Amino acid sequence: KQEVTQIPAALSVPEGENLVLNCSFTDSAIYNLQWFRQDPGKGLTSLLLIQSSQREQTSGRLNASLDKSSGRSTLYIAASQPGDSATYLCAVKTGNNRKLIWGLGTSLAVNP
Amino acid sequence: GAVVSQHPSRVICKSGTSVKIECRSLDFQATTMFWYRQFPKQSLMLMATSNEGSKATYEQGVEKDKFLINHASLTLSTLTVTSAHPEDSSFYICSAPMRRGGRTNEKLFFGSGTQLSVL
Repeated sequence: KQEVTQIPAALSVPEGENLVLNCSFTDSAIYNLQWFRQDPGKGLTSLLLIQSSQREQTSGRLNASLDKSSGRSTLYIAASQPGDSATYLCAVKTGNNRKLIWGLGTSLAVNP
Repeated sequence: GAVVSQHPSRVICKSGTSVKIECRSLDFQATTMFWYRQFPKQSLMLMATSNEGSKATYEQGVEKDKFLINHASLTLSTLTVTSAHPEDSSFYICSAPMRRGGRTNEKLFFGSGTQLSVL
């Protein structure tokens, strides 16, 4: 059974820092992995999608990597800003039934 | 970018009443809609998958008679919480993969969510 874990659960950093959010999964037979952002009381915004054949994806200040063999993905945020404050969720789509398995998220606070 | 419009954003109702939540894809076809709910400090839990023109597929433990899903068109899916009780209070979110030109994108687009509070 696929399980997705995100570490840390919460993170507070000063503005301008580069930071790394971690996501690990137990079954390496994945179809893809996605990173989402959720603002309080709101829906989710898709940030990056990495197919199982890819190793990383970049969008602006965000870079996500995928290491299937070790069951890990990292989301790197460069030069963090207060507007980056949100909960970041990692979700894995498994190869068999294509359902998304979600992590609990990392709550990020970037302090001005 | 693609938009999924979800209404209402917040609803407070009395126990025993029914509540309908709508999700519309505004600029793309959503042949599939995923309905999630999220309790505080917990991750998203998939409740059901609706498919345009056919019956929804419910996840284990989700009562289909309690959570009625209708996906009558390529742009509209609705979730009705029937005879709501306090334990149904939760944040409900819909999402859909974009379908354009006969092809479905893996990227998911989410509604803004509905906070349901049952008194």
